[in-house]
Amino acid sequence: GAVVSQHPSWVICKSGTSVKIECRSLDFQATTMFWYRQFPKQSLMLMATSNEGSKATYEQGVEKDKFLINHASLTLSTLTVTSAHPEDSSFYICSARAGLVGEKLFFGSGTQLSVL
Amino acid sequence: GDSVTQMEGPVTLSEEAFLTINCTYTATGYPSLFWYVQYPGEGLQLLLKATKADDKGSNKGFEATYRKETTSFHLEKGSVQVSDSAVYFCALLLDGGTSYGKLTFGQGTILTVHP
Repeated sequence: GAVVSQHPSWVICKSGTSVKIECRSLDFQATTMFWYRQFPKQSLMLMATSNEGSKATYEQGVEKDKFLINHASLTLSTLTVTSAHPEDSSFYICSARAGLVGEKLFFGSGTQLSVL
Repeated sequence: GDSVTQMEGPVTLSEEAFLTINCTYTATGYPSLFWYVQYPGEGLQLLLKATKADDKGSNKGFEATYRKETTSFHLEKGSVQVSDSAVYFCALLLDGGTSYGKLTFGQGTILTVHP
């Protein structure tokens, strides 16, 4: 089946630094990618939707200047957590949609971010 | 707003035991319902789905029936295996068109099956 590669799988960083998370569709072109985050024992919450070549659409309450999303190609989307703080520590997961219709939605394995 | 509530875990079972993971939802329209599974170190994978009331999704011995009257989509398996140990997520989707992928998830239920 289709594969979405997410990297890194875990990262520890100091407060104030920026962290970039990559999401790649390895064997298909992803017209749309989605970024979720999950706090312990809580639901996966959609952060933003990105379409190749256009600005991302952020969900209410998500700071677009803090969580920068770039979807420069049909196979790569990146999430950059800028000036990370301990409260940004969370599990981030991406998903990629192949095509326009149908349930062709594939998930990355997630990134555990810990900000010290 | 739309929401999904799953039974809290973790759930620990012995091999060949019967499994039920409860899932209920709140939605303004008529959602499609999904169960996703995440094995250790892997991404979420679609396990099964149902798109309308009374539909039954099934895969790998797992089943779930879309119950509109009780707004539920409980996951069941008659005989679990150690290899079923994973995190299970219930999710709903209201718009299957251009916004497909904007899933609303439950919090996930960790299942551990012992030999």
